[in-house]
Amino acid sequence: DVKVTQSSRYLVKRTGEKVFLECVQDMDHENMFWYRQDPGLGLRLIYFSYDVKMKEKGDIPEGYSVSREKKERFSLILESASTNQTSMYLCASSFGTGYDEQYFGPGTRLTVT
Amino acid sequence: GNSVTQMEGPVTLSEEAFLTINCTYTATGYPSLFWYVQYPGEGLQLLLKATKADDKGSNKGFEATYRKETTSFHLEKGSVQVSDSAVYFCALQGSNYKLTFGKGTLLTVNP
Repeated sequence: DVKVTQSSRYLVKRTGEKVFLECVQDMDHENMFWYRQDPGLGLRLIYFSYDVKMKEKGDIPEGYSVSREKKERFSLILESASTNQTSMYLCASSFGTGYDEQYFGPGTRLTVT
Repeated sequence: GNSVTQMEGPVTLSEEAFLTINCTYTATGYPSLFWYVQYPGEGLQLLLKATKADDKGSNKGFEATYRKETTSFHLEKGSVQVSDSAVYFCALQGSNYKLTFGKGTLLTVNP
């Protein structure tokens, strides 16, 4: 079974802190994604990566950056957390041949106070 | 650009009732279509998918048919169970690996 793990289920940070959310997949997938999920808005893509050290902006990249130094690991970075970044963050991965399903991690619920 | 519209919830049904959750899409080309399910406290998991027109995806008693003429991918189940209570997301994938999601439909099934 494909497994996507995220470093924390729940996280509480203060405004202005630098926040790292880590995601690891164990199936040698090429593509990795970061989404945020908010009530009434569904899932919105923040960034994705289709290869090591490659990244592309999604629909809402402002206030976020990413890092992918190894194929299995994709990190989301909030350089200076703000209260409007309080959300559920979901990581996903896919094999990379095109029309592939994405496999999701359990999510990290981040609260910025 | 691509977009997905699904019926707003919440949807509340009694056990063994028939379920339909409508989903329509706008896309260029020939997208793949997906239904994902999110159980309470968990991430999303793939429920079913269809990759070309007239394909029917099915899993766990759920079905959806890719209708290109009506740009729809409605989710159906003949007899829901309490364990089907979850949030359901319709999604499409174009040619750039990206998934575009609908806003989700919360389903509650009462015994």
